[in-house]
Amino acid sequence: DAGVTQSPTHLIKTRGQQVTLRCSPKSGHDTVSWYQQALGQGPQFIFQYYEEEERQRGNFPDRFSGHQFPNYSSELNVNALLLGDSALYLCASSLAGGWPDTQYFGPGTRLTVL
Amino acid sequence: AQTVTQSQPEMSVQEAETVTLSCTYDTSESNYYLFWYKQPPSRQMILVIRQEAYKQQNATENRFSVNFQKAAKSFSLKISDSQLGDTAMYFCALTGTASKLTFGTGTRLQVTL
Repeated sequence: DAGVTQSPTHLIKTRGQQVTLRCSPKSGHDTVSWYQQALGQGPQFIFQYYEEEERQRGNFPDRFSGHQFPNYSSELNVNALLLGDSALYLCASSLAGGWPDTQYFGPGTRLTVL
Repeated sequence: AQTVTQSQPEMSVQEAETVTLSCTYDTSESNYYLFWYKQPPSRQMILVIRQEAYKQQNATENRFSVNFQKAAKSFSLKISDSQLGDTAMYFCALTGTASKLTFGTGTRLQVTL
């Protein structure tokens, strides 16, 4: 049973550039959530996708956007990168309608902005 | 708004000993779930244990158990017979009807010989 996978593992970008991160959910899951984890901090919720729509959003600017595909995989896009966007980006998948909506995490993408 | 507080940035325990990690939280929701996640140095977040707020009985998973004090909004994790593989960051997290997770800042646990 394949777990949550993310690509790439590491990424280095410069300020002002744009980046796309990818996530494939655990088999049987239909909901994808994205989190940002700064060094030494707990993950912060960015947004959640279900049925190809953004279901809810955390306190992140519009530079952060996402997409969910019919196969439930998801992308996180960040435009106009800032130094402060350097972090580990975690994707988590879950099955909607369950209680709780227990989320299973991928290994993350380490983004470094220079 | 939901908040989760972990007041122990770092802890150390000897192999085979027992350690307790603390967590307090705040939420206005009447039904919610609490979780402990483990993040080893390899960084993949792993679910350790979960507790539904409506259940009075404390959850257990093998060597891991929780002490859930709803009135005090406290949710501690006890690890018995600690093993070297338990070395990791431990995050307490909370979810309500919105199904997003709110995390604490984590406790770094080091298990020593």
